[in-house]
Amino acid sequence: DVKVTQSSRYLVKRTGEKVFLECVQDMDHENMFWYRQDPGLGLRLIYFSYDVKMKEKGDIPEGYSVSREKKERFSLILESASTNQTSMYLCASSLFLGGLAGDSHYEQYFGPGTRLTVT
Amino acid sequence: SQQGEEDPQALSIQEGENATMNCSYKTSINNLQWYRQNSGRGLVHLILIRSNEREKHSGRLRVTLDTSKKSSSLLITASRAADTASYFCASEGSYQKVTFGIGTKLQVIP
Repeated sequence: DVKVTQSSRYLVKRTGEKVFLECVQDMDHENMFWYRQDPGLGLRLIYFSYDVKMKEKGDIPEGYSVSREKKERFSLILESASTNQTSMYLCASSLFLGGLAGDSHYEQYFGPGTRLTVT
Repeated sequence: SQQGEEDPQALSIQEGENATMNCSYKTSINNLQWYRQNSGRGLVHLILIRSNEREKHSGRLRVTLDTSKKSSSLLITASRAADTASYFCASEGSYQKVTFGIGTKLQVIP
């Protein structure tokens, strides 16, 4: 079974602190993602990565950065945490299920989430 | 409104009844997936339907896709208390970009 782990289930930080959220997957997946989940807004993509040292901005990258030094690890960094970054953060990795043209797709595997509170 | 909107946003039914959730999206897609999330946990993939398919079954799950209306529905038959969770649709478009909806919170009352 694919396993995606996140370093903390719950985290409380102060405004202005630098925060690191770690995510590790054990299935050699190429792609990894960071989402935040807020009530009434669903999941919103922050950043994703197609390969080591590669990163792409998602829909809401402001205030965040990422690091992917190893294939299995994708870190989300809040350079200076703010109260509006209080949220549930979900990491995912995906398997490319390739096939004939039009038949390929991605299936995402999620970690358990980190509930971050910034006070 | 957002791509991948589900409705209703909340649904409460009795055990044994069927639960139907709908999802709409805005742009053309390669496929549409449904995920489930138990309270405070990560999402788990349930089922995928490709853009050239109209209906797909998996156990008690039935998914339909209407590309002309840009909509999909998820039907859970003979619901159980353990089906209580939030359900999200995720539309995959160009360049493997996946957009999640805001979810439907399903409560199945024993």
